[in-house]
Amino acid sequence: DSGVTQTPKHLITATGQRVTLRCSPRSGDLSVYWYQQSLDQGLQFLIQYYNGEERAKGNILERFSAQQFPDLHSELNLSSLELGDSALYFCASSVGGGPGRNTEAFFGQGTRLTVV
Amino acid sequence: AQTVTQSQPEMSVQEAETVTLSCTYDTSENNYYLFWYKQPPSRQMILVIRQEAYKQQNATENRFSVNFQKAAKSFSLKISDSQLGDTAMYFCAFMKPGKYIFGTGTRLKVLA
Repeated sequence: DSGVTQTPKHLITATGQRVTLRCSPRSGDLSVYWYQQSLDQGLQFLIQYYNGEERAKGNILERFSAQQFPDLHSELNLSSLELGDSALYFCASSVGGGPGRNTEAFFGQGTRLTVV
Repeated sequence: AQTVTQSQPEMSVQEAETVTLSCTYDTSENNYYLFWYKQPPSRQMILVIRQEAYKQQNATENRFSVNFQKAAKSFSLKISDSQLGDTAMYFCAFMKPGKYIFGTGTRLKVLA
């Protein structure tokens, strides 16, 4: 168990809908990262938050948004869903936001999103 | 822009043998971290090993070790005494402030 909790584990929804994925980082971790992994693909970096503020942005679509709350949990909102958004969405957390001690990211088990 | 390249999409190794997975990266930074993650069929992402760029000594974790060549920007993973449970996708990752980039992965199959 990595200590990173993602809910829900599975989600099935229809095209055009909106969903929210939730991530609780490890205790003490300030950074949260979101990644998208389509079937048999690598991990695409979406966005990073550090202590409530957006720190880095990757290939995140405009239909997607995220935030990190004061208690450091994070939510990823996906709207106007398309079939191609079906993927495994990972959240990861780390103590820092960059190089330093204990900066490796620990991953949650992912949320498997299926858009039908 | 930073990139991470894993040139071996698939590899196989006999149980108890040794295998090396390759990773190269491109950066102009001097201070960064490198990692190897394992993703078994369960699709959980598991940290295998990490290397700080400022350290010349190669990292080792039990049967896993790296060959870090900073000048060549190479970071290979060696798995000794391969076990069936090592069958997984292996991702190389690069980290610096604001960037945590993964390679496309190498699918490793350990054969009985």
